Amino acid sequence: DQQVKQNSPSLSVQEGRISILNCDYTNSMFDYFLWYKKYPAEGPTFLISISSIKDKNEDGRFTVFLNKSAKHLSLHIVPSQPGDSAVYFCAASAQSGGGADGLTFGKGTHLIIQP
Amino acid sequence: EAGVAQSPRYKIIEKRQSVAFWCNPISGHATLYWYQQILGQGPKLLIQFQNNGVVDDSQLPKDRFSAERLKGVDSTLKIQPAKLEDSAVYLCASSLDWASGTDTQYFGPGTRLTVL
Repeated sequence: DQQVKQNSPSLSVQEGRISILNCDYTNSMFDYFLWYKKYPAEGPTFLISISSIKDKNEDGRFTVFLNKSAKHLSLHIVPSQPGDSAVYFCAASAQSGGGADGLTFGKGTHLIIQP
Repeated sequence: EAGVAQSPRYKIIEKRQSVAFWCNPISGHATLYWYQQILGQGPKLLIQFQNNGVVDDSQLPKDRFSAERLKGVDSTLKIQPAKLEDSAVYLCASSLDWASGTDTQYFGPGTRLTVL
């Protein structure tokens, strides 16, 4: 049972436009959400996070939106640049036993920025 | 600040052989994680340490996988004996303090294991 779902395996966006990556989750205990970016042959790189007490977090060109009632979050990248071409993973964690659990990841979305 | 270090970067072994991976977390990070990433999937947590104690190893196949973090810094993950389905990238991550709740994990480059 996949608790974090990224339903788009790939997404193609023109340079300069907005990229929107979506993520759905099923576990209502998740209270911290992260986006990671991954280039081939490298480990995932932390991009941005959001706590369940917020509905938006912004960092430069990257904004994450959280809709708890819909169990949905999205990552907006604007404007999209060629260096943004990578696989993006949505991840979530819940608190138990006194701290945050390890992350549960989606399968990733391959973002391709077209010149 | 140095990132999470892992070695080796690549390893090819035959099934039923043993293999070990090493991880050095970011200095000062109390929490260390090992993940397995099979091709086309997201990383899956295998084990989580807080200092030298195990917090969660519920998804670690304990009949063949073992991990330790004896001095609360470096960690090793071992597979003995390896199976074909163990072919994956093994990622190590560290974070400042698991108990904080909103704790960002930082990943190493991973070790790509191929079992023939």
